[in-house]
Amino acid sequence: DAGITQSPRHKVTETGTPVTLRCHQTENHRYMYWYRQDPGHGLRLIHYSYGVKDTDKGEVSDGYSVSRSKTEDFLLTLESATSSQTSVYFCAISEVRGETNSYEQYFGPGTRLTVT
Amino acid sequence: QQQVKQSPQSLIVQKGGISIINCAYENTAFDYFPWYQQFPGKGPALLIAIRPDVSEKKEGRFTISFNKSAKQFSLHIMDSQPGDSATYFCAASMLRYKLSFGAGTTVTVRA
Repeated sequence: DAGITQSPRHKVTETGTPVTLRCHQTENHRYMYWYRQDPGHGLRLIHYSYGVKDTDKGEVSDGYSVSRSKTEDFLLTLESATSSQTSVYFCAISEVRGETNSYEQYFGPGTRLTVT
Repeated sequence: QQQVKQSPQSLIVQKGGISIINCAYENTAFDYFPWYQQFPGKGPALLIAIRPDVSEKKEGRFTISFNKSAKQFSLHIMDSQPGDSATYFCAASMLRYKLSFGAGTTVTVRA
């Protein structure tokens, strides 16, 4: 699991409430990512971070914000949850590894979020 | 719009058979092509990856075939086993740290 934990693992919330998901890593990786996974769409990048306080948008960033005040923690916030944000959310880290010399991404266990 | 198109959506194979999953892309700037395996309730796990200067890469029973001119790549699972039953995702990257994923293929291996 590349030392990645996500919390909570499951959450049910009501439309309009704020929600924060946490990703914690123990191996000092520079790059961290938030994805959402939905049937028929694979994984889609929400936001990513390339260092403390350095973040950027992915392809489905509307309705989400992120923060990274420490290397080990990357937070994803839904300011006002909507039913369309019901999904499984995965955090990932990346590091250069192996013969491909590319940033190989490793994923956490996921958070299942249901917005009612 | 998905930048990587994956097919089939699902497949069933007998134990010992070959599973083949195909992916196609348009962006010629992509330079890294990984495959991920995901079991129910788990996060995706990196299975095997290839760079475009190589036409084939094999790791155990898993082989990536890459056709740069056709902008296609595929995953072959040889001697498929029930433990290979999972969802497989192809992906591609042009900025080394950002991946675009296919929609996924659910593989079921019947004993």
